[in-house]
Amino acid sequence: SYVLTQPPSMSVAPGQTARIICGGNNIGRESVHWYQQKPGQAPVLVVYDDDDRPSGIPERFSGSKSGNTATLTISRVEAGDEADYYCQVWDSSSDRGVFGGGTKLTVL
Amino acid sequence: QLQLQESGPGLVKPSETLSLTCSVSGGSISRTSYFWGWIRQPPGKGLEWIGHIYYTGTSYYTPSLESRVTLSVDTSKNQFSLRFSSVTAADTAVYYCARYCSGFECKAIDAFDIWGQGTMVTVSS
Repeated sequence: SYVLTQPPSMSVAPGQTARIICGGNNIGRESVHWYQQKPGQAPVLVVYDDDDRPSGIPERFSGSKSGNTATLTISRVEAGDEADYYCQVWDSSSDRGVFGGGTKLTVL
Repeated sequence: QLQLQESGPGLVKPSETLSLTCSVSGGSISRTSYFWGWIRQPPGKGLEWIGHIYYTGTSYYTPSLESRVTLSVDTSKNQFSLRFSSVTAADTAVYYCARYCSGFECKAIDAFDIWGQGTMVTVSS
């Protein structure tokens, strides 16, 4: 089955840049989506189709992809960005959807 | 503005069937390009895709759960439902319903763009 791998946690100081990675075989051929989930809340889509932002999502959130790795970049990190972040793809070869294990972002 | 709301019992006994409903307001569940999905999250763990269904009844299930899951849709009530049989304590989780974008009408194709608030279901005797 298709697996997306994320680091369990990372920390960053306010004002710095956070880069959260998501690895998977052949991820280059699939669209990667990213969700932010704050404690006690439902996930929110923050980046779709590798590098697009839904309306209402700050420009500080951006996505990119290279080879077998996708990256969510959060610029000028704020305390309110502290959350769990999940990547997600639809694996077209198996016709199944997959979430990464999630990365807990701590703002120091 | 489209909103989704899960409903159902918060406590289910082991070996019984868990049934949840998601009510959609502010838009039609019969709209083309959108599926309607279920995702769950055990306490302290990550997200798990359960499956998603189109208003015509076409559905997809995660293989590891497929034998115990049934999705259905009621267009007259603008609702869709999840049935999960033979539950165990491992099925204790927050269950979310969400809109899944799958066609030309939407931007975030193959992503869940709108989520319900989630409902906690505990499996315990």
